[in-house]
Amino acid sequence: QKEVEQDPGPLSVPEGAIVSLNCTYSNSAFQYFMWYRQYSRKGPELLMYTYSSGNKEDGRFTAQVDKSSKYISLFIRDSQPSDSATYLCAMSEYNTDKLIFGTGTRLQVFP
Amino acid sequence: GAGVSQSPSNKVTEKGKDVELRCDPISGHTALYWYRQSLGQGLEFLIYFQGNSAPDKSGLPSDRFSAERTGGSVSTLTIQRTQQEDSAVYLCASSTGLAAYEQYFGPGTRLTVT
Repeated sequence: QKEVEQDPGPLSVPEGAIVSLNCTYSNSAFQYFMWYRQYSRKGPELLMYTYSSGNKEDGRFTAQVDKSSKYISLFIRDSQPSDSATYLCAMSEYNTDKLIFGTGTRLQVFP
Repeated sequence: GAGVSQSPSNKVTEKGKDVELRCDPISGHTALYWYRQSLGQGLEFLIYFQGNSAPDKSGLPSDRFSAERTGGSVSTLTIQRTQQEDSAVYLCASSTGLAAYEQYFGPGTRLTVT
């Protein structure tokens, strides 16, 4: 079993839809939770990070962490075709420099 | 400002040959990471450099893989006697060393071993 599980998709939604992307994990020591976005033929870029449990909002994006369930989510409101990319979750333990990535979910938003 | 750059962007090599992949991190970033991204496998950690500390090599898949970081800046990932299973995108990232979660990635080198 992988430490971080993520559905690879693809997830195809119409423009304007609310998108929910999720990851589960098994390591209860994870404290930092990140979402990276990766466009085709590009390197990943950090979208959001959360420390411990709770919600964090940034524009159309909301990240949620439920440590009791070992489950994290990224919600995208009013999705746009420009949101079409692969979304990778990543996690790390406190005071460590190593990130553990999920396999990524490919999202397609069609006009 | 300049981001992380990697060269070459694409590399095709024959099985058994050695290859060198280069990474130029963001100026002033003390931490540098190498990852491998294969189809459907996500990002696989390979090696991590932080300042003058000994590198964390725990992710290197075999002794055919090695990496150096000269002068605390440019890094080279070397794969000796390449195998077909080495075909992947090799990504480099750097960070300030203060926040490992905020890594800045280069565009990657796409390696194809024929």
